[in-house]
Amino acid sequence: DQQVKQNSPSLSVQEGRISILNCDYTNSMFDYFLWYKKYPAEGPTFLISISSIKDKNEDGRFTVFLNKSAKHLSLHIVPSQPGDSAVYFCAAAGGYGKLTFGQGTILTVHP
Amino acid sequence: SAVISQKPSRDICQRGTSLTIQCQVDSQVTMMFWYRQQPGQSLTLIATANQGSEATYESGFVIDKFPISRPNLTFSTLTVSNMSPEDSSIYLCSVAVDIRSGNTIYFGEGSWLTVV
Repeated sequence: DQQVKQNSPSLSVQEGRISILNCDYTNSMFDYFLWYKKYPAEGPTFLISISSIKDKNEDGRFTVFLNKSAKHLSLHIVPSQPGDSAVYFCAAAGGYGKLTFGQGTILTVHP
Repeated sequence: SAVISQKPSRDICQRGTSLTIQCQVDSQVTMMFWYRQQPGQSLTLIATANQGSEATYESGFVIDKFPISRPNLTFSTLTVSNMSPEDSSIYLCSVAVDIRSGNTIYFGEGSWLTVV
């Protein structure tokens, strides 16, 4: 039972354009959502998070949007840079720091 | 934020042996977590390690296979016992900082184990 889903295994974007990474969840008990960036054989790097009481959170080039009724969140990266190329994981927390991860989306930003 | 150090960063292990991974945090944290990422898979929670109590294991993970210690608020170990090739994974330690505001969860660099 995949409670957090990232349905796009990969995304390719031109440098300077917007990258939109999507994530869906099924468990309504999740109350906090996070995005991580990950390179092979390294630990995930925290990017941005959002509480379920909000619908948007912005940090520099990264914005996360949460649509609770649709159980959907998205990460927007504007403008995209080649250094953003990595695997992006969406994660959901139901309390006490335990995370459920999506399968990840490979983002490739072309110069 | 929290700085999390893991040792070893990578190792090649013989089938049937056991390996202990160490996780050191630069600040005191109540809750520490151990995750696994098998090749081509997402990250999966193994267990939650709280200081002063037994670790809590997720479905599919058992203490005999993955014993965990949490001797103080800045340190934890995960042992992968009687390893088989299926245990080849990245093992990640994570901590939750400021749990009451629901906030941020940081990860160590990971320990990449290959079992041959």
